[in-house]
Amino acid sequence: DAGVTQSPTHLIKTRGQQVTLRCSPKSGHDTVSWYQQALGQGPQFIFQYYEEEERQRGNFPDRFSGHQFPNYSSELNVNALLLGDSALYLCASSSGTGGSYEQYFGPGTRLTVT
Amino acid sequence: QKEVEQNSGPLSVPEGAIASLNCTYSDRGSQSFFWYRQYSGKSPELIMFIYSNGDKEDGRFTAQLNKASQYVSLLIRDSQPSDSATYLCALGGGFKTIFGAGTRLFVKA
Repeated sequence: DAGVTQSPTHLIKTRGQQVTLRCSPKSGHDTVSWYQQALGQGPQFIFQYYEEEERQRGNFPDRFSGHQFPNYSSELNVNALLLGDSALYLCASSSGTGGSYEQYFGPGTRLTVT
Repeated sequence: QKEVEQNSGPLSVPEGAIASLNCTYSDRGSQSFFWYRQYSGKSPELIMFIYSNGDKEDGRFTAQLNKASQYVSLLIRDSQPSDSATYLCALGGGFKTIFGAGTRLFVKA
């Protein structure tokens, strides 16, 4: 039973560039949430995708956008990168039609913006 | 006031002791409560979830929820050095999950 997978593992980008991160959910899961985790902090909710639509969004600017595909995999796009976007980006999958159920995290993508 | 409050620690306990981790929250509408363990450089791992008031036990772990007092706790019995990690408390309500900043636990051999 494959768990949540994310790619790439590490990424280095320059300020102003754009980045795309990818996530495949755990088998049987249909919901994908994205989080940003800065060093020493808890994960911060970016948004959640269900049935290919953004279902809820956290307090992140429009530079952060996403997509969910028919196979439930998802992408996180960040435009006009800032130094402050350097963080661990986590994808979590869950199965639920009604709310926030147990989520399982992927290994994360470490993004460094220079 | 932060939505989820945790003592950052580090909480240091000797091997074999009970580690007690606490979390308070502000949103009375929170419906689901989770504890995640995160080793340094790794992603969070779900270890417990609780939805109803009272205690829930799973092996060496016990989660306790008191909605009236707005706190949730995690007890780790017979603590092992491998339990040394950051423990994140998380709350769910609707489609959003809110995490605390975590408590660092150190179990001394």
